[in-house]
Amino acid sequence: QVQLVQSGTEVKKPGASVKVSCKASGYTFTNYAIDWLRQAPGQRLEWMGWIDVGNDRADYSEKFQDRVTITIDTSANTAYMQLRGLRSDDTAIYYCARMSAMARTYFDLWGQGSLVTVSS
Amino acid sequence: DIVLTQSPLSLPVTPGEPASISCRSGQSLLHSNGYHYLDWYLQRPGQSPQLLIFLGSYRASGVPDRFSGSTSGTDFTLKISRVEAEDVGIYFCMQALQTPFTFGQGTKLDIK
Repeated sequence: QVQLVQSGTEVKKPGASVKVSCKASGYTFTNYAIDWLRQAPGQRLEWMGWIDVGNDRADYSEKFQDRVTITIDTSANTAYMQLRGLRSDDTAIYYCARMSAMARTYFDLWGQGSLVTVSS
Repeated sequence: DIVLTQSPLSLPVTPGEPASISCRSGQSLLHSNGYHYLDWYLQRPGQSPQLLIFLGSYRASGVPDRFSGSTSGTDFTLKISRVEAEDVGIYFCMQALQTPFTFGQGTKLDIK
């Protein structure tokens, strides 16, 4: 079954870091890119960055450039998104999504989402 | 960043009736390859978004043919010819022409 399965809910304190995982199955992991997006309450979906799994090259939105790192473990078919310096406005559902690395046009597969709550 | 503006934000529809959602881009989404880099997604309650339409007018695999997308310059339209109960949810447009990819505010469709 072609799917992306994400890690579970996280509750973090302000200033902490969070690392969310996204395990791919049912397709050749290295043939696609993995992007990370988030959906905060009442806000638009927001794109954070992506990684070309084939060459392990990542790129980030300027908004998150200083705080986010996207990595992969090809032996585990898993992508990771780490966000540092958490603030209350980072409370959101974080999604991984699949896109062709060659033709960056649409997300055809999404993870189920991981809720991250930042609260003191 | 490219701004996408959707309307309406709320859309109550009677089953069997048509529905239309607009997405206006603040700049052209026309790629040099001739395609408009605008997608439509549906997020059903409690679920992740799913792809409906890509490159402005191409239906994704498995999407019913009652869904269609069209383009006129920087104006994009998603049409549902006959709304069904399963179409309830939030519809988003997204531009993939340049990073950061950006989204519309979302249109919430529900059944009257």
